[in-house]
Amino acid sequence: EPEVTQTPSHQVTQMGQEVILRCVPISNHLYFYWYRQILGQKVEFLVSFYNNEISEKSEIFDDQFSVERPDGSNFTLKIRSTKLEDSAMYFCASRAPDRIPGGYTFGSGTRLTVV
Amino acid sequence: AQSVSQHNHHVILSEAASLELGCNYSYGGTVNLFWYVQYPGQHLQLLLKYFSGDPLVKGIKGFEAEFIKSKFSFNLRKPSVQWSDTAEYFCAVNAGGFKTIFGAGTRLFVKA
Repeated sequence: EPEVTQTPSHQVTQMGQEVILRCVPISNHLYFYWYRQILGQKVEFLVSFYNNEISEKSEIFDDQFSVERPDGSNFTLKIRSTKLEDSAMYFCASRAPDRIPGGYTFGSGTRLTVV
Repeated sequence: AQSVSQHNHHVILSEAASLELGCNYSYGGTVNLFWYVQYPGQHLQLLLKYFSGDPLVKGIKGFEAEFIKSKFSFNLRKPSVQWSDTAEYFCAVNAGGFKTIFGAGTRLFVKA
């Protein structure tokens, strides 16, 4: 079964540093998402991306965050200047055009630790 | 604003016990409803979904959920749990847009 692939699986970074989290969605999917889960808390929506632009974003997704689909296969989340509270599990998800909104395939996540 | 409430944060059951996890949402319009499961150390996986038709939906691994529109509920059930069902279960709602709202999750521990 096709998978959403995320790299790295773990990333430790110093506060203030930039990080880029990478995702390779399933090839025929057209809708892409980033969610995060702070340890012990709920899964939170960050951003959705469709047709090469952000379609919706949450209040968490401020100017420090950006997303890109640079080459038609990768989908990246960049955090420009990380804060301690950015420590979380970040999940990429994608959706096929014939799947109902919300019916995602999730990647295995990147655990980001900001020290 | 949409929200999702899961009533139980932690549930402990013995094998073969029946399971029901509560989920309520707040949104007045048409919604798509989901249950996702996260096994220890793994990613979120779609367990089942409802978008129209029969309000009783069946998912993988013997799980089912019932959509009761009048109660804004979408409870997850399984008649007989197994040790391998130990996981965290998330209810989620999408109102047709790009954003899906997740509940806080229910950690299920099944004693062998």
